[in-house]
Amino acid sequence: EVQLVESGGALVQPGGSLKLSCAASGFNFTVSTMQWVRQASGKGLEWIGRIRSKVDNYATAYSASLKGKFTISRDDSENTAYLQMNSLETEDTAVYYCTRSMFYHDSYGYRYDAFDIWGQGTTVTVSS
Amino acid sequence: QSLVTQPPSASGTPGQRVTISCSGSSSNIGSNTVNWYHQLPGTAPRLLIYNDNQRPSGVPDRFSGSKSGTSASLAISGLQSEDEADYYCATWDDSLNGRVFGGGTKLTVL
Repeated sequence: EVQLVESGGALVQPGGSLKLSCAASGFNFTVSTMQWVRQASGKGLEWIGRIRSKVDNYATAYSASLKGKFTISRDDSENTAYLQMNSLETEDTAVYYCTRSMFYHDSYGYRYDAFDIWGQGTTVTVSS
Repeated sequence: QSLVTQPPSASGTPGQRVTISCSGSSSNIGSNTVNWYHQLPGTAPRLLIYNDNQRPSGVPDRFSGSKSGTSASLAISGLQSEDEADYYCATWDDSLNGRVFGGGTKLTVL
């Protein structure tokens, strides 16, 4: 079964750090680009960033609004992606999802991706 | 304030056809493809449409996407009660150099 399972969500104090995990199964994780998306309660989806595969040198990219607080990494031997979050603020309280990129080409031949597999999410609460 | 704008709500009766709009600019929808996701209450989002108008395997053909200029639309025909969910458009923004989601549209089946 194709699956992503996030873990590591917790209650953390402002200024604290937390590392989330995303365990993949049922597909070839090592060639997949993995993404992180979050959703505050009652709010919309917010893209956090992504990490590409070894073929693309594990290149990462992040939302500019996160100001370098988050770092995405992966361990292909464990089929797991990670999200390291530092200097957490109350505004970072959200459900955090990991998701996989599905690549396709538009009519001009440009490559894009869509998020075709999602985990169930893990909840991070930042509060004193 | 999202760079891509959706109406906060939409509604329809069973069997009806409804459309949800997604308005952007030349730096996002106008120059990149659009994907649509839906999210049932308490669940993770699910890919509904990619590449403006393509349906992943398993998505009913009641769902269709279109794009013109800097706007995109999701149409749902033969509305069913289980279509009641939040719908999000998503695209890439060249100025931001990042992915952007619309604010989401809550669809109510009356």
